[in-house]
Amino acid sequence: GENVEQHPSTLSVQEGDSAVIKCTYSDSASNYFPWYKQELGKRPQLIIDIRSNVGEKKDQRIAVTLNKTAKHFSLHITETQPEDSAVYFCAATHTPAQGAQKLVFGQGTRLTINP
Amino acid sequence: EAQVTQNPRYLITVTGKKLTVTCSQNMNHEYMSWYRQDPGLGLRQIYYSMNVEVTDKGDVPEGYKVSRKEKRNFPLILESPSPNQTSLYFCASIPSRGGRYTQYFGPGTRLTVL
Repeated sequence: GENVEQHPSTLSVQEGDSAVIKCTYSDSASNYFPWYKQELGKRPQLIIDIRSNVGEKKDQRIAVTLNKTAKHFSLHITETQPEDSAVYFCAATHTPAQGAQKLVFGQGTRLTINP
Repeated sequence: EAQVTQNPRYLITVTGKKLTVTCSQNMNHEYMSWYRQDPGLGLRQIYYSMNVEVTDKGDVPEGYKVSRKEKRNFPLILESPSPNQTSLYFCASIPSRGGRYTQYFGPGTRLTVL
């Protein structure tokens, strides 16, 4: 089955700097890679996702890149702000026609933005 | 308002006392899932359901049961809870059509088994 490894487990950056979180996956059949943000005491919420037919996707200060050959994908946050402090999870799954099934999550990265 | 609800939000119980955590969604989603979240381990899938009366094991199903008798409800049952099931539990639902696979998470249930 799929296995997702996420690094680093904790990350501390100065406000305004960039943050990068990396994930690797094992199943070459995986074709959908979402990223979730979980603020303290809250539920995870989708912030961006990418499919295997796309190499990069950007949404304002957040971008995700995917390298299918190396089986890794990364989350990039630019111009970080205090409200970016949270735990971030990557995930991978194969999405057949009937929809996502076994979404496998990484271990999470606790991102702290220092003012 | 489109949402996933879970009850109870907090529960402290004792070893061996059967409990049920309810999950309900009002978005008519076919797919629902249960996860447990533990520090350093991320979110691990317990069970999922593709539709009514269709359920399957996730990565950590031992000690748990589920049922899907109605589309909107997907309860998680712990027949004989043990301390290693102390965790934060999330229910989620996903639309299985339309090309989007966003998981809508419930607010979470923090379970402590003494």
